[in-house]
Amino acid sequence: SQKIEQNSEALNIQEGKTATLTCNYTNYSPAYLQWYRQDPGRGPVFLLLIRENEKEKRKERLKVTFDTTLKQSLFHITASQPADSATYLCALDGGNTGKLIFGQGTTLQVKP
Amino acid sequence: ETGVTQTPRHLVMGMTNKKSLKCEQHLGHNAMYWYKQSAKKPLELMFVYSLEERVENNSVPSRFSPECPNSSHLFLHLHTLQPEDSALYLCASSQDRVSGNTIYFGEGSWLTVV
Repeated sequence: SQKIEQNSEALNIQEGKTATLTCNYTNYSPAYLQWYRQDPGRGPVFLLLIRENEKEKRKERLKVTFDTTLKQSLFHITASQPADSATYLCALDGGNTGKLIFGQGTTLQVKP
Repeated sequence: ETGVTQTPRHLVMGMTNKKSLKCEQHLGHNAMYWYKQSAKKPLELMFVYSLEERVENNSVPSRFSPECPNSSHLFLHLHTLQPEDSALYLCASSQDRVSGNTIYFGEGSWLTVV
């Protein structure tokens, strides 16, 4: 069956460290993968998109990698800050219909 | 402000009530979506509209009835809901319904069915 898996346990790190979140998928062949941030009680906000032919994408303190062999994407936040505390969702395309399939998200807590 | 506005933000309704959720996007997008988000579960796509035409209905019970009168507005009509329908309902839009488009979400409507 098709699955997208993100670590359901919260990730707790110290301010200034690098946070690394994982997104694994099975039985999909996505052309791209997206990462979103969601704060409590709010809608998700788009962060980054990476295509299947891109190994890495960066935006300020954010970095995303996409390994289609391992069927995995890693999401890194360098020099993390308490304001980075949120739930991070990965999403991949479910084909050419524009349908996005979301993982359940990983909650990141950055402690000062 | 994402350009997608949802009202109401909070709604409590009885199982015999009829209510509606409203969504408006100010981005000039052609595709609009309804998602359901329950605790500890991934976002579930409910309906997709492209240029005001419903193009996808993911086996959603008929007690949820969408309406898209134009490309900027989307409604979700609710009637005879069950307590398990309590969730955060998110409206979203994208430029088109094709792969690679970024989806812009509203802030959501918290629905509690009593």
